[in-house]
Formats: sequence, C-alpha cells, structure tokens
Amino acid sequence: DAGVIQSPRHEVTEMGQEVTLRCKPISGHNSLFWYRQTMMRGLELLIYFNNNVPIDDSGMPEDRFSAKMPNASFSTLKIQPSEPRDSAVYFCASSLQTGFTDTQYFGPGTRLTVL
Amino acid sequence: TQLLEQSPQFLSIQEGENLTVYCNSSSVFSSLQWYRQEPGEGPVLLVTVVTGGEVKKLKRLTFQFGDARKDSSLHITAAQTGDTGLYLCAGAKGAQKLVFGQGTRLTINP
Repeated sequence: DAGVIQSPRHEVTEMGQEVTLRCKPISGHNSLFWYRQTMMRGLELLIYFNNNVPIDDSGMPEDRFSAKMPNASFSTLKIQPSEPRDSAVYFCASSLQTGFTDTQYFGPGTRLTVL
Repeated sequence: TQLLEQSPQFLSIQEGENLTVYCNSSSVFSSLQWYRQEPGEGPVLLVTVVTGGEVKKLKRLTFQFGDARKDSSLHITAAQTGDTGLYLCAGAKGAQKLVFGQGTRLTINP
C-alpha cells in the first residue's frame, strides 16, 4: 500500500521565491497535517484539515505561509516569499479520524533550503 | 514554550545495555504517543498510552504513562544497533492535535 507521498523530496531556492510543497495522503484518510521540523524547535504542527476543511492553523508562522486542500487526495503548503529561516524539513501526515487518539502516518518529508 | 521535555537529548551506549528515556510536562494530556524516526524518513508510531499508570510492552521496549498523565518513559532492554534513531514523545490535546518533545537521539554502538 502506498503511504503518504510528498514532493519534492528536496527543494533549494533563493530568498524571496515562492515555494510550493505537495502532499498526497493515504487513500481513505480524512485528516491531513502539515508539520515543520528543525533542530532548534523540533517537530511543530503548522495546520491540520478534517474532510478538506482547515481546523487549526494556529501553528502557521505568519502570513507568508498558506495551505490548501482542494480535495481528499491532495494538499499544498505554500511559502511566499520564502526566507532563510524557513529552511527546515516539512512533513505531511494523514490519519483516519476515529474520535480517539488517531494514528498519524507521516510522509518522508521535504527538505527545504532557502539561500 | 516547549510543553514536553525529553531527556536525555542524546544517548550513546553499547549494544546489550539497558536505557530509559523520559518525557515530562506540566500539562495533562488525553494520551501520549512515542514515535521513532530514522534519518531521511518521517516519524513512525510505536505506541499510544491512554490511561494513567498504563504500561505497554513492545518486545524489548516498555512504555509507561505517569499516573497523572503528565509524563512518560520508554525503557529499552538489551539494546541492539537496530534501535538507533530519534525517539519522539507526543502529547495529545484532544484526539488529533499533537505536541512533540524535542526528541532523544539514541545511538547503539556495536
């Protein structure tokens, strides 16, 4: 079975450029999460969706970050304009919402470097 | 503000030794999860503990949830080189929102 798919796996860009990260959740899952991982701050939840609807975006750092989920099988995280401090590994995870503590399945991540 | 503190942050031991990793918080969580992450990959769930005082075993790994549901520990018996990785604890605020600790980077030397 295919797990969570993220693309690209690596992205190197220059400050000021727009960056779009993509995620395909596991088929049948109805919740999707975007996380950011850095050495300094660890793994932080940015935003999550239930049934394609954003539920909690309190972790989104600032207006430069935006996320969309146009359908159940696709989500994007966009950074515009990008800054060097955005350099991190960005993970997408999906789960089947059960009402108990869900098991989240993580993708392999996108390593973003902003020069 | 880091809600979950893990200790130690780094641990390097010899194969065959035992070890314990701690996850502490001043907050109460509805449940607590432990993940393991290998380089270049996303975290993978090991266990979820829900009830205060709960103990779960996964082969050589023993997980315990504190009575007050604020802390947890992971004990590994007779560590193997395959146990090497980053171990993350995560407290659940409700059913879906997770708060992660900084992680314990474990190295098992042959």
